[in-house]
Amino acid sequence: SQQGEEDPQALSIQEGENATMNCSYKTSINNLQWYRQNSGRGLVHLILIRSNEREKHSGRLRVTLDTSKKSSSLLITASRAADTASYFCATDQNTPLVFGKGTRLSVIA
Amino acid sequence: SAVISQKPSRDICQRGTSLTIQCQVDSQVTMMFWYRQQPGQSLTLIATANQGSEATYESGFVIDKFPISRPNLTFSTLTVSNMSPEDSSIYLCSALVVSGEKLFFGSGTQLSVL
Repeated sequence: SQQGEEDPQALSIQEGENATMNCSYKTSINNLQWYRQNSGRGLVHLILIRSNEREKHSGRLRVTLDTSKKSSSLLITASRAADTASYFCATDQNTPLVFGKGTRLSVIA
Repeated sequence: SAVISQKPSRDICQRGTSLTIQCQVDSQVTMMFWYRQQPGQSLTLIATANQGSEATYESGFVIDKFPISRPNLTFSTLTVSNMSPEDSSIYLCSALVVSGEKLFFGSGTQLSVL
């Protein structure tokens, strides 16, 4: 099964800085989604980008998708301590979604 | 949108016992799934819960160990049977709502087996 792979595995930044996480995948997709998980709890959907889209924004989040490179990036601007969480990308060629290993983001106040 | 109630939120169990986790969705869903997440790891799909029929299990997971029920569209249970310390994980219920593409998740069950 295809699986997104995020990098870096862990990222530590100061509050106010931007955080960028990357996701690579192996096969063609219909869409790519990013999720957030706080402290091992349930995941929360952040944003979905379709294969025919190149960039999408939602508040402080910016997602890009490069289907030629089979990669996506998630940018969180002006980070806050509350953004501390694990972030996962998920790809879907078929249901159900397959998740990557995630990036653990720590935002230090 | 959907809200998923999952319980218990955590439990500490003895080796050899079983635990049943319940998942209730507050809106119409098409598909329900159960995932396992071991400490610091990604989510691994255990099975797709099928309404009124046997669940569809992923490689490495079997019905005798992880029996799943889904008696109606919005409710499912996962039982972790004959537990061992290796079963210590977070178990997550998720659902795909009608005409939706994103997954909604319960808050997870943190299971520790002694």
